[in-house]
Amino acid sequence: GAVVSQHPSWVICKSGTSVKIECRSLDFQATTMFWYRQFPKQSLMLMATSNEGSKATYEQGVEKDKFLINHASLTLSTLTVTSAHPEDSSFYICSAPPRGRPQETQYFGPGTRLLVL
Amino acid sequence: AQSVTQPDIHITVSEGASLELRCNYSYGATPYLFWYVQSPGQGLQLLLKYFSGDTLVQGIKGFEAEFKRSQSSFNLRKPSVHWSDAAEYFCAVGPSSGSARQLTFGSGTQLTVLP
Repeated sequence: GAVVSQHPSWVICKSGTSVKIECRSLDFQATTMFWYRQFPKQSLMLMATSNEGSKATYEQGVEKDKFLINHASLTLSTLTVTSAHPEDSSFYICSAPPRGRPQETQYFGPGTRLLVL
Repeated sequence: AQSVTQPDIHITVSEGASLELRCNYSYGATPYLFWYVQSPGQGLQLLLKYFSGDTLVQGIKGFEAEFKRSQSSFNLRKPSVHWSDAAEYFCAVGPSSGSARQLTFGSGTQLTVLP
């Protein structure tokens, strides 16, 4: 089946630094990728929709200047958490529907756990 | 607003026993319903989905789910659990348009399987 990878899987950083998370579709192209955030024992919350060749669409309450999204190619989207603070510590998950397929067929990455000290 | 409730945070069953994970939803129109499984180090994997038609849906790995409109439920079942089924399970509801942007996930149920 289709595979989505994320890198890194685990990152620890100091408060105030920026962290970049990559999401790659390994065997298919994706014009759209989704970024989610998951707190412990809570559900996945959609943060933003990454669109290849155009600006990302952010959900209400998500700071676009803090969570920078770049959809560099049809197989890569990056999420940069700028000036990270401890409250940004969370599990970040990306997903992607194959190009031309319905969005409900999205494939999920394994997630990136971010800890900000 | 749409919402999904998974009442059981954690369930423990013995290998070979039957399993039922509960999911209740609130949605103003005809919902699309999904069950995903998340194993450590792996992404969420779609087990099954309900769009319309037969209210009993068959999925992968021997799972099935039944849509009950009158009860606003979409419970996941498996007749005989295997140790490899230990994972976290998420129910999700979305619009009939299939937009992933409008999916709402439950908070998950952690399944432990005893030998």
